[in-house]
Amino acid sequence: SSELTQDPAVSVALGQTVRITCQGDSLRSFFATWYQQKPGQAPVLVIYGRNDRPSGIPDRFSGSSSGNTASLTITGARAEDEADYYCASRDISGNSGNHVVIFGGGSKLTVL
Amino acid sequence: EVQLVESGGGLVQPGRSLRLSCAASGFTFDDYAMHWVRQAPGKGLEWVSGISWNSGMLVYADSVKGRFTVSRDNAKNSLYLQMNSLRAEDMALYYCAKDVKARGLINPTIDYWGQGTLVTVSS
Repeated sequence: SSELTQDPAVSVALGQTVRITCQGDSLRSFFATWYQQKPGQAPVLVIYGRNDRPSGIPDRFSGSSSGNTASLTITGARAEDEADYYCASRDISGNSGNHVVIFGGGSKLTVL
Repeated sequence: EVQLVESGGGLVQPGRSLRLSCAASGFTFDDYAMHWVRQAPGKGLEWVSGISWNSGMLVYADSVKGRFTVSRDNAKNSLYLQMNSLRAEDMALYYCAKDVKARGLINPTIDYWGQGTLVTVSS
């Protein structure tokens, strides 16, 4: 199966806009899903599908995609957005042809 | 309120087995695919396995294929992960997680997660 690559560390000034990217061959065929994880907590779904947000996720979070790259954009970053962010995608197992799930390595977002 | 409560983790020697359980409540369990996702200490998320709503599709990460078996009992609203031939690299917090789409394919969109159960593999 393929991999999803994320920058390990990303930083943004308070109130500014930041884009967290995720690259992988599977993203040419499938949408990325994005999760936020804060220390000691389970992940939280923030973006899925073309650019859908679960209820309760602020609209400063948005998603986009082009070619093999998916992006999570936070417009007007707040201190509480400091967290690890993971992308995920469907992938096709080379052996079985089944759909499996892959995660990126994660990006640690620091809000300065 | 959706609740996912994992159990069964603990300390196990390399090469031995362990069975994780996840008790689900607050939603129609037999409508949704379920996942196991793990996270080694200080590391990122790794998807381990998924099972469709009717157990018709069982899928695994290459790292656990042939050693781990996922199953579910819809009558008991429970998900399981049988882990055999455990290795040091299997040591992680194991999350039980619910797929977002009813009666859909296994997909990477998870809307609810448990708090995890810790598996420690050490002699």
